[in-house]
Amino acid sequence: EIVLTQSPGTLSLSPGERATLSCRASQSVSSSYLAWYQQKPGQAPRLLIYGASSRATGIPDRFSGSGSGTDFTLTISRLEPEDFAVYYCQQYGSSPVAFGQGTKVEIK
Amino acid sequence: QVQLVQSGAEVKKPGASVKVSCKASGYTFTSYGISWVRQAPGQGLEWMGWISAYNGNTNYAQKLQGRVTMTTDTSTSTAYMELRSLRSDDTAVYYCARDQSEDAFDIWGQGTMVTVSS
Repeated sequence: EIVLTQSPGTLSLSPGERATLSCRASQSVSSSYLAWYQQKPGQAPRLLIYGASSRATGIPDRFSGSGSGTDFTLTISRLEPEDFAVYYCQQYGSSPVAFGQGTKVEIK
Repeated sequence: QVQLVQSGAEVKKPGASVKVSCKASGYTFTSYGISWVRQAPGQGLEWMGWISAYNGNTNYAQKLQGRVTMTTDTSTSTAYMELRSLRSDDTAVYYCARDQSEDAFDIWGQGTMVTVSS
């Protein structure tokens, strides 16, 4: 089974700064079936990116995803106040589906 | 609008069972699958399994095999997740999510808190 490792664990940034989150897979992710989710306290996760680089419906273009194989990146070009949250990557190309342990983006 | 609405919070004793419902609306229920994901307090997301709303096929996480059953009722567009022989480490928020296959989990329920305590 595929294990996903996210880094860093916590990212301390200011509004307006660029955020770069990493997700590394223990083996190649099939057909780039890699997604990113945002979760705020007390809320369900929200899909941001699927297929490694496709934005989900209604997601602002400051969110972008890239990568293939075993290395993937979520970039938030300019952090807005509402972007401070926990972000999870997920591989869904092979069973079992797996999530990374999460990266918390906090206000510096 | 497209949404999944889950049943309310549950408190169970160790060894008991819990059944959580997830009612879909705003889309053709049988055209998608439903995955279940849980999140223990302060922890990350754990995939529990998947069910096809089209034909009822299931795929469960190995660690839950034998304790979990996922079903659907197409007449009411509702998915169910039953977990048996509950332990304290099953305490978590349980989510259902629409599983679009290549498009990941695009719609999520609001979550159901299940507390296992004696």
